[in-house]
Amino acid sequence: GDSVTQMEGPVTLSEEAFLTINCTYTATGYPSLFWYVQYPGEGLQLLLKATKADDKGSNKGFEATYRKETTSFHLEKGSVQVSDSAVYFCALNDYKLSFGAGTTVTVRA
Amino acid sequence: ETGVTQTPRHLVMGMTNKKSLKCEQHLGHNAMYWYKQSAKKPLELMFVYNFKEQTENNSVPSRFSPECPNSSHLFLHLHTLQPEDSALYLCASSQVSAGDSSGANVLTFGAGSRLTVL
Repeated sequence: GDSVTQMEGPVTLSEEAFLTINCTYTATGYPSLFWYVQYPGEGLQLLLKATKADDKGSNKGFEATYRKETTSFHLEKGSVQVSDSAVYFCALNDYKLSFGAGTTVTVRA
Repeated sequence: ETGVTQTPRHLVMGMTNKKSLKCEQHLGHNAMYWYKQSAKKPLELMFVYNFKEQTENNSVPSRFSPECPNSSHLFLHLHTLQPEDSALYLCASSQVSAGDSSGANVLTFGAGSRLTVL
């Protein structure tokens, strides 16, 4: 069945550092891909999405490109802030939504 | 304000207790979901309701019983739970169009109910 694999955390980095969270997927069809973010004490919220190959989703300085050839949707941000500390979930939606295990990111001042 | 409200935010219960989790969405969505979030594991989809009808039960034990009285409210009734059921239970909602197979469905989540089973 469809599944998502994302890099294990936790990831700890300093402010203004470059962030990459790897995500690869397995799907039989042509899924839409998502990144959701969960801030402390809150539910998940959509960060960005891409619905077809080569699409780039972007929001709040984060970007991810739908790479069909490598079945990947890696999340990147060029300069992180303390407020980016959260858990990040990669997800795909073919006929139903499947999530990865989440990657905890801590940004230190 | 996420538009999806869950109560209670924290719940501690014994294995013989009966309790319920409540979810309310203020977004006019027609689909609602229960997910279980455990540490270091992918979110587990438990139940899906489309237009108040249950469309998915992901092999969830019968000690979890969902109820969707209308398109705005979703309950999860809990009885004779086990300690391994301790987790964060997340409710979500979305707007699903009939016949939409694009897969671009975006979910709006509540803040979750943290359940501890003693």
